[in-house]
Amino acid sequence: QQPVQSPQAVILREGEDAVINCSSSKALYSVHWYRQKHGEAPVFLMILLKGGEQKGHDKISASFNEKKQQSSLYLTASQLSYSGTYFCGTERYNNDMRFGAGTRLTVKP
Amino acid sequence: DTEVTQTPKHLVMGMTNKKSLKCEQHMGHRAMYWYKQKAKKPPELMFVYSYEKLSINESVPSRFSPECPNSSLLNLHLHALQPEDSALYLCASSQLESGPRTGELFFGEGSRLTVL
Repeated sequence: QQPVQSPQAVILREGEDAVINCSSSKALYSVHWYRQKHGEAPVFLMILLKGGEQKGHDKISASFNEKKQQSSLYLTASQLSYSGTYFCGTERYNNDMRFGAGTRLTVKP
Repeated sequence: DTEVTQTPKHLVMGMTNKKSLKCEQHMGHRAMYWYKQKAKKPPELMFVYSYEKLSINESVPSRFSPECPNSSLLNLHLHALQPEDSALYLCASSQLESGPRTGELFFGEGSRLTVL
């Protein structure tokens, strides 16, 4: 029941862009995105509730295609602070948040 | 206060020991979660409490016993664990609303458990 995330890892130079994808074979109630740095707890980035909904947070934005049950996280003009592991989390029913395998993002100077 | 506090931060126990992990939040959240996270793996859902009642149990072995004594506290009682249970145990909380969810999960920093 976990969502499928891709790619597994991304290496970027500062200022480059990246896209992380998340998909589910089941109908979803919501999609969340979290970032976890080494040795720290996951931190919430954004939630998408409706099909086609797009949200933005500084230079990080996301979209949700309800028809395809897919979400994408867009990181533009990446900064060193963006490094970490990104997880999408999906809910089918209320509160059953499950996470994808994660995408390890490394931003180099 | 937007914190979820977990204690202890580190725990080493033998396979015959009984110990407990504790989690506390004062944000008025009525959903609380236990996740297990192994190195380089995603958090894996174990239990969910909604309004202090167990609403989700992901077929977790009975050597893990959750408890939600009130709306601010969540415990995970551990007994007769195996070495493969060594992991980071994360507690999280979120709001419960009748309308559209804002649903952000607030995570504690975790309790790192080592079973010898």
